[in-house]
Amino acid sequence: ETGVTQSPTHLIKTRGQQVTLRCSSQSGHNTVSWYQQALGQGPQFIFQYYREEENGRGNFPPRFSGLQFPNYSSELNVNALELDDSALYLCASSSFSGNNEQFFGPGTRLTVL
Amino acid sequence: AQSVTQLGSHVSVSEGALVLLRCNYSSSVPPYLFWYVQYPNQGLQLLLKYTSAATLVKGINGFEAEFKKSETSFHLTKPSAHMSDAAEYFCAVSDPGYSTLTFGKGTMLLVSP
Repeated sequence: ETGVTQSPTHLIKTRGQQVTLRCSSQSGHNTVSWYQQALGQGPQFIFQYYREEENGRGNFPPRFSGLQFPNYSSELNVNALELDDSALYLCASSSFSGNNEQFFGPGTRLTVL
Repeated sequence: AQSVTQLGSHVSVSEGALVLLRCNYSSSVPPYLFWYVQYPNQGLQLLLKYTSAATLVKGINGFEAEFKKSETSFHLTKPSAHMSDAAEYFCAVSDPGYSTLTFGKGTMLLVSP
């Protein structure tokens, strides 16, 4: 069974640029959630995708957007990067009919200069 | 709205000593509760979960937690700490039926020889 994978591992961007992060869900899972973990903080929910549609969103501005593809993989896009966007971005997959258990990937470390 | 409070950003124990990491939650409905562990530069690994069955939950690596509704608590314990337990621990809450998680700020567990 393949776990959740994320790419790239690390990324450095400058303020104002755009970035795309990618996530492959665990086999058998149809739901993907994205979290932002700033240094020294707990993860914060960005949004969730189920059946290729957004299924809930946290307190993040519209410049954070996402996609889910038919194979349940997902992308997180962030436009007009700000310094405060520097964080570890975690993807988690789950089964919509499951008992809320989410399986996390290793994360993408984004640094905005 | 849900929230999680983890008392103590850092907890230090000696190898072989009892580990106690505190978590209190706030939720308008009976919650599902989770403990995750994060090793440096890695994603989150599920230690254990409470999903309205037995109130004493046993997890991996010898950890357990007890759900106490009257105290709105879900503290994590381990009878004897190992050096390999040094990591950051996150408590999280979700509504049953919704897989998005609300995390606490985390507690760093330090284990000394």
